[in-house]
Amino acid sequence: GESVGLHLPTLSVQEGDNSIINCAYSNSASDYFIWYKQESGKGPQFIIDIRSNMDKRQGQRVTVLLNKTVKHLSLQIAATQPGDSAVYFCAESVHGGATNKLIFGTGTLLAVQP
Amino acid sequence: DAGITQSPRYKITETGRQVTLMCHQTWSHSYMFWYRQDLGHGLRLIYYSAAADITDKGEVPDGYVVSRSKTENFPLTLESATRSQTSVYFCASSMTQNNEQFFGPGTRLTVL
Repeated sequence: GESVGLHLPTLSVQEGDNSIINCAYSNSASDYFIWYKQESGKGPQFIIDIRSNMDKRQGQRVTVLLNKTVKHLSLQIAATQPGDSAVYFCAESVHGGATNKLIFGTGTLLAVQP
Repeated sequence: DAGITQSPRYKITETGRQVTLMCHQTWSHSYMFWYRQDLGHGLRLIYYSAAADITDKGEVPDGYVVSRSKTENFPLTLESATRSQTSVYFCASSMTQNNEQFFGPGTRLTVL
């Protein structure tokens, strides 16, 4: 079946450093990818997305890179802050049935050390 | 308040009881989704709806029922709750099928 996985379940970084969270996806036909941030006790919050016709997309302090050749997605957070501590999920949009569905990875915990 | 809301936020029930979790969005989004989140499984899709009166099964639909009589509401019913349905349930909505989904705050359900 389709799957989205993360290489590192936990990532610990120092405040001010850059963070990189990686994700592998298996469906080469997926054309839309999203990164979500989930803080404890809250619902997932959209961070940034990218479509398959792009390799890179930048937001405020965040950049998503898409490598379709190796089916790899990454989220880069610049100057990581304590408020960035959360679980980060990647998701791919998979076409199946009457509509596209998001398949989520199991998440990476980002712990920012002051 | 505008956005997507869920109620109740916490629920404790007993095996065999019927439970309904409510989801309401104010954006008039066509698509709505129900997920459950369990340790080690991430978010798994239970049911989704493309529009009012149109619903379809997701990855783990067994034991759940949904309805969508109005665009803004998408209730999820556990007809006879089981302990394996203890989980955190998230509702989400999106404008189209290939756009970001916006999530509610979640309902933590415990089945004793």
